Amino acid sequence: GQSLEQPSEVTAVEGAIVQINCTYQTSGFYGLSWYQQHDGGAPTFLSYNALDGLEETGRFSSFLSRSDSYGYLLLQELQMKDSASYFCAASANQGGKLIFGQGTELSVKP
Amino acid sequence: DTGVSQDPRHKITKRGQNVTFRCDPISEHNRLYWYRQTLGQGPEFLTYFQNEAQLEKSRLLSDRFSAERPKGSFSTLEIQRTEQGDSAMYLCASSLTGLTSSYNEQFFGPGTRLTVL
Repeated sequence: GQSLEQPSEVTAVEGAIVQINCTYQTSGFYGLSWYQQHDGGAPTFLSYNALDGLEETGRFSSFLSRSDSYGYLLLQELQMKDSASYFCAASANQGGKLIFGQGTELSVKP
Repeated sequence: DTGVSQDPRHKITKRGQNVTFRCDPISEHNRLYWYRQTLGQGPEFLTYFQNEAQLEKSRLLSDRFSAERPKGSFSTLEIQRTEQGDSAMYLCASSLTGLTSSYNEQFFGPGTRLTVL
């Protein structure tokens, strides 16, 4: 089977740093992606890790440890507009289907 | 706007009716994916194509669901004899295969929200 676990909700204040964790169990694993989805909107790509380590893209960073089947998304300098659902998603091969976690709803407070 | 369009955006139908959705991917993208999302859940994979070839179909998908991508461009997803449990957002995504990590990004359309009464 394939499953990804992430916290259902996280709350933080503007300007803070928040980390959203994701653990996965998949029969085959190629890489871990992160997507953001605002209410009523489509998922949009944030970051991707195929190798162990940290990938940085502006205020967002993503980390992967293949040996621990674990990754996280780090959001810095939080803004109100970052309030959204965040999904980790595993792929078994390059460009293949994505298996999504259930999502973490992030609420950013003033 | 990612460049992926879906039509219609909303569909209300009665149980037992057939429905068909259309997806137009980003023009140069050779892969096209269909997902289904219900409230509070992550998108669930349904099927995907490389050009016109259907490469994988979810084992969870009943025979009432069929998808086509006849010329390797747009795709249609048909649900026959709809059931109330089919009510969901149906998302289409596209991507371009290649060797670098950027080719793992999938671009999602706005989705078609299906309500089965």
